[in-house]
Amino acid sequence: DTAVSQTPKYLVTQMGNDKSIKCEQNLGHDTMYWYKQDSKKFLKIMFSYNNKELIINETVPNRFSPKSPDKAHLNLHINSLELGDSAVYFCASGESNTEAFFGQGTRLTVV
Amino acid sequence: GESVGLHLPTLSVQEGDNSIINCAYSNSASDYFIWYKQESGKGPQFIIDIRSNMDKRQGQRVTVLLNKTVKHLSLQIAATQPGDSAVYFCAENPPRGGGNKLTFGTGTQLKVEL
Repeated sequence: DTAVSQTPKYLVTQMGNDKSIKCEQNLGHDTMYWYKQDSKKFLKIMFSYNNKELIINETVPNRFSPKSPDKAHLNLHINSLELGDSAVYFCASGESNTEAFFGQGTRLTVV
Repeated sequence: GESVGLHLPTLSVQEGDNSIINCAYSNSASDYFIWYKQESGKGPQFIIDIRSNMDKRQGQRVTVLLNKTVKHLSLQIAATQPGDSAVYFCAENPPRGGGNKLTFGTGTQLKVEL
């Protein structure tokens, strides 16, 4: 009965590789998000999609490309991974001006 | 107490005491505020929220206070328990259409001592 689920939970990969993180929500929300949490625990929004349409893109490098096949899914594809991409990535969903529900996170380690 | 610099601010309290976690937000136009709790290895979990037309809201063992004049938010936890140990974040939502843009504070580590 997980509300927001993302896979994988851990991802270790080499520099230069391309990887994807998947996210699904079963809450019926119209809006989904990707957040990045750095080593200092700082949480910053990366993208927001509303009904499959991109509405927020927070100056993220274009190596990061979100894809929303339907409003219940928002996947994150990352090309040419760099060491600085190592972080925990959180998917979330919600409705406008209410709380966001977060997934368990994907810890990405680039070596 | 609190620490400065690169470390997460930390608040240490004795079990059973009340905790107060403070947060300064940045956007005077923000109209919705949330407190989240993040335990190690997990995603942030909603604790309580408050809208800008209120200055206080109470939940079970938690109270949020909002002072719009000085852009300050606080979370009070009554009778703090070991299970309350976590990182606490405040988040503000500036008004915009088409969904939230929750902006998070830096977080405070709460440590409950037995």
